[in-house]
Amino acid sequence: DAKTTQPPSMDCAEGRAANLPCNHSTISGNEYVYWYRQIHSQGPQYIIHGLKNNETNEMASLIITEDRKSSTLILPHATLRDTAVYYCIVPSWGNTGKLIFGQGTTLQVKP
Amino acid sequence: DGGITQSPKYLFRKEGQNVTLSCEQNLNHDAMYWYRQDPGQGLRLIYYSQIVNDFQKGDIAEGYSVSREKKESFPLTVTSAQKNPTAFYLCASRTRDRVGGNTIYFGEGSWLTVV
Repeated sequence: DAKTTQPPSMDCAEGRAANLPCNHSTISGNEYVYWYRQIHSQGPQYIIHGLKNNETNEMASLIITEDRKSSTLILPHATLRDTAVYYCIVPSWGNTGKLIFGQGTTLQVKP
Repeated sequence: DGGITQSPKYLFRKEGQNVTLSCEQNLNHDAMYWYRQDPGQGLRLIYYSQIVNDFQKGDIAEGYSVSREKKESFPLTVTSAQKNPTAFYLCASRTRDRVGGNTIYFGEGSWLTVV
């Protein structure tokens, strides 16, 4: 898997946009970037994924740089319920099939 | 609805006993995974399986065992050899096809406490 680097923690004011960065400088041309979040003591929840183009869904937007070495997850209007650990992963779907998660970013949304 | 079911949600066992955590999926996914999560920590890979009757060790396989006799099922046994088994255990699955990206689905997790 391509290694990902995320800041360990971030704060965001309620109602403001939360921008969570991720570095994945060793990403290969056909590898996707995935974002998940985990609320305490629950299974991780899928948020969004992308390859080259920016993506948007009902939960978030994903901005991937042109060189694909980094990406940013944007929660446009953060709420208290968005407080969670956010994981950026770049899984390798090659022969190994391994799926490795890093430490993620703990996002604290404050009123 | 399709999804992954883990059971039990909470499990208490005495030290030295083996315990098996169940993971069942009806998503027709080929690959399945087991992770361990300690408080305040990230997910660590225990075992994974890409097809039926085949599985590989992850980063922390010692003290654990798995089987994959059916596509839908990937049970994890925490053996007495696992020195510190108290943790949150997560099961996940995904399709094996690489085209178009593959979303990974997680179960809700199982809390194991060894007393």
